[in-house]
Amino acid sequence: QLVLTQSPSASASLGASVKLTCTLSSGHSSYAIAWHQQQPEKGPRYLMKVNNDGSHSKGDGIPDRFSGSSSGAERYLTISSLQSEDEADYYCQTWGTGIRVFGGGTKLTVL
Amino acid sequence: EVQLVESGGGLIQPGGSLRLSCAASGFTVSSNYMSWVRQAPGRGLEWVSVIYSGGSTYYADSVKGRFTISRDNSKNTLYLQMNSLRAEDTAVYYCATDYPRFDYWGQGTLVTVSS
Repeated sequence: QLVLTQSPSASASLGASVKLTCTLSSGHSSYAIAWHQQQPEKGPRYLMKVNNDGSHSKGDGIPDRFSGSSSGAERYLTISSLQSEDEADYYCQTWGTGIRVFGGGTKLTVL
Repeated sequence: EVQLVESGGGLIQPGGSLRLSCAASGFTVSSNYMSWVRQAPGRGLEWVSVIYSGGSTYYADSVKGRFTISRDNSKNTLYLQMNSLRAEDTAVYYCATDYPRFDYWGQGTLVTVSS
């Protein structure tokens, strides 16, 4: 069964860096994922796609502070030079034939 | 500029029906995979349905047999027909572009199922 697992919460200080993790279920470690950001009271915004080789392709206008990487069944979103507007929920998403799956989301608090 | 604008949400009684629309501009709906995603109050994102460019359709188990995704190529619009609505279908419904470009989301439309 295709499942994505995310930690419910994360926190980091203004100006620091944070690395969010999305873990693919057993047997699905080759899958690519997409990261989406949802700021409070707003709709989701696409950030990037991360492939199993660690390559990533960002959406239009996504700052260089956002980057993606991969290791085994884990896909990462790293945000550097944290700003207050980065405080948001972050969701990973993956896909297969006839199925799409979202992780439970990570709520990022910027201290 | 790509835009997705949902409409059709509202308050509906359990067992009722509703049709959501997603009007697209800046790209061609029929040439792309398109999805509906929902978010219940205070909850995370939940995939609902996808339509492929070739016309194949797929659904989450929670809505299979009750919801139907479709598109009108002449209007460049995506639809979600929702029948036999339940309280647990209460959510903001988003349309979004799908594989290989998950880049674009609409602003969402709220569906409330309550008596």
